[in-house]
Amino acid sequence: AQTVTQSQPEMSVQEAETVTLSCTYDTSESDYYLFWYKQPPSRQMILVIRQEAYKQQNATENRFSVNFQKAAKSFSLKISDSQLGDAAMYFCAYRSGQGAQKLVFGQGTRLTINP
Amino acid sequence: GAVVSQHPSWVICKSGTSVKIECRSLDFQATTMFWYRQFPKQSLMLMATSNEGSKATYEQGVEKDKFLINHASLTLSTLTVTSAHPEDSSFYICSARDDRGVTDTQYFGPGTRLTVL
Repeated sequence: AQTVTQSQPEMSVQEAETVTLSCTYDTSESDYYLFWYKQPPSRQMILVIRQEAYKQQNATENRFSVNFQKAAKSFSLKISDSQLGDAAMYFCAYRSGQGAQKLVFGQGTRLTINP
Repeated sequence: GAVVSQHPSWVICKSGTSVKIECRSLDFQATTMFWYRQFPKQSLMLMATSNEGSKATYEQGVEKDKFLINHASLTLSTLTVTSAHPEDSSFYICSARDDRGVTDTQYFGPGTRLTVL
């Protein structure tokens, strides 16, 4: 079974600085997708960024980018120019490219932005 | 992104009663929806996969007779917690799979907080 591990329960960063959240996963599959979701205090899960395993280029979405290291099974999220609104729980998630399309979530990292 | 709604956003009920939670995809059709449970300060735990027109697939350890799922249309899935007890109190979140085009992604509803007294 696939597993996702986020080893940083909590992280903090100064406003306007850059922070990187770590995620590793374990799978024997070659076709899969990786995601970062954000859960602010409202608890609404928001998709931040997605990465297809077959793509070598790292995904970017404005201030959010990933460092996808397929061989190392690592998928970190970099947030540049951190803003107060970025404060939230961040979940890394894995989804197989086949079958039921279920998401497997990591434990989450709570990100605090210091003004 | 696509929009998913949940109703109600919160509910309080007495022990032994049943509670129904609705999940709707507002601007797309979803053949597959998912139901999660989240305890405080924890990650999301998948309870079941809901497929339109067929029986739901439950994860190991989830009581299918307690958590009834019905996906009767392409835009609506319901979760009914039957004979609820205080240990069923939790935050329930649904998601809907948007497989239009090349971006096959799950979008989440805002969640329902259930409190059983």
